Amino acid sequence: DAMVIQNPRYQVTQFGKPVTLSCSQTLNHNVMYWYQQKSSQAPKLLFHYYDKDFNNEADTPDNFQSRRPNTSFCFLDIRSPGLGDAAMYLCATSRAMGQAGTEAFFGQGTRLTVV
Amino acid sequence: AQKVTQAQTEISVVEKEDVTLDCVYETRDTTYYLFWYKQPPSGELVFLIRRNSFDEQNEISGRYSWNFQKSTSSFNFTITASQVVDSAVYFCALKTGGATNKLIFGTGTLLAVQP
Repeated sequence: DAMVIQNPRYQVTQFGKPVTLSCSQTLNHNVMYWYQQKSSQAPKLLFHYYDKDFNNEADTPDNFQSRRPNTSFCFLDIRSPGLGDAAMYLCATSRAMGQAGTEAFFGQGTRLTVV
Repeated sequence: AQKVTQAQTEISVVEKEDVTLDCVYETRDTTYYLFWYKQPPSGELVFLIRRNSFDEQNEISGRYSWNFQKSTSSFNFTITASQVVDSAVYFCALKTGGATNKLIFGTGTLLAVQP
């Protein structure tokens, strides 16, 4: 059974039209991550939550926002998608450092196309 | 600042050859975790191994082995008797940041195993 679920798997959006990607988890992990991965590149950390504490990367554009209303769900909002935002978006969860098994578990990703 | 370097962009081997993937990391934190992930063509990131900064024991799991050396800040991954199914991109990752649990990835090594 999938433990980190991302919806939708594929998303097509128009240039400039706000889009929301969702992630849910059944693992009850207190850390959740959002990564952007472009073709043939490494996953790039956009931001992450430790419980309700939000940690934004310095180079994450303001165009990207996130919400975590509860432990199980996390959302990535792209306010005005540009062509350069087309990518695979990966959600991951983990236990916090110091807890047993702090490796991250990844969802299958949402492939975003901007037209 | 935290950084993970995988100097090998692509490696091509013939089936049954041994291959080592290099990973060098940088962090000022004394407590951190290192990971290896596999990303096959299907795209999902698969967790392979976790090591914490206080445990320098090497590990072997079947055809896979890992060599962690704090003195050289390296966490190398060896596949013995490679198989075509090992073809994938392999990422080394570093988790630090104490309370923030930041997880960053190296640039990845594309391993192609030829029959």
